[in-house]
Amino acid sequence: DARVTQTPRDKVTEMGQEVTMRCQPILGHNTVFWYRQTMKQGLELLAYFRNRAPLDDSGMPKDRFSAEMPDATLATLKIQPSEPRDSAVYFCASGSGTGGVDTQYFGPGTRLTVL
Amino acid sequence: GNSVTQMEGPVTLSEEAFLTINCTYTATGYPSLFWYVQYPGEGLQLLLKATKADDKGSNKGFEATYRKETTSFHLEKGSVQVSDSAVYFCALNGQNTDKLIFGTGTRLQVFP
Repeated sequence: DARVTQTPRDKVTEMGQEVTMRCQPILGHNTVFWYRQTMKQGLELLAYFRNRAPLDDSGMPKDRFSAEMPDATLATLKIQPSEPRDSAVYFCASGSGTGGVDTQYFGPGTRLTVL
Repeated sequence: GNSVTQMEGPVTLSEEAFLTINCTYTATGYPSLFWYVQYPGEGLQLLLKATKADDKGSNKGFEATYRKETTSFHLEKGSVQVSDSAVYFCALNGQNTDKLIFGTGTRLQVFP
C-alpha cells in the first residue's frame, strides 16, 4: 500500500531556529504539494512542484520559507528563521497527471511548534 | 473564483443515526468533487470522489452525488459508527488545474 511519508512527525523548536521538513512522495507521482493547517486558517496551499520544478509558491512567505525537490523521491520545506506564528501542521501530498492532478494523496503531517 | 462552502460543525450524532453533511460549490466549467476525511492526528484521506455531473461517489458506506443543477455534493451515510468520528472536508479541483480548493471542514462526533 503506497503512502506518502513525512519526517519528522513532531518538531518543537525555538524561535529563530531553522526547521527542515521532509516528504517522500508516492513512487511514480510527478506532482508534490505542501500545505499548512491551522485552526484559524484551515488548509492553505503553500507550494507545489511538477517533475521537480516549482509551479506555484504564491502561498508561501518568501522571506523565510523555501521549498525544493532535490530529487524525485524527496521534497523539502525549510523555515529560516522560524517564528511562533509558523506553529502548525504541515502536510505533503502527491499525485500524478499531465493535464492536472485528479487525486491528491496526503502524508501524515509534521506538527511544528515554535516556542 | 472557485470556492467550497460546507456546513459548520460539530455535527453530533448517536451511533446508527443518519448523516448528512452539506457541501455546495462555486466553479466555472466542470470541476471534480471530493470528500476527504481526517482522523485525529492523521493526514487527510480520500473518502470518495465524482468527476462529472450525476456521478455518485461511494466508499465505506458513505455516498455523495455530484449535482450540477444545485452545485452541491452532500455527504451521506445511512448508519454512522463511533469510528466515523473525524473531520470531513469537501473539495473541488477545477478543470485542467492541480489545486484543490477545500472547504473549512466539518467535525463529526458519534457517540455510542
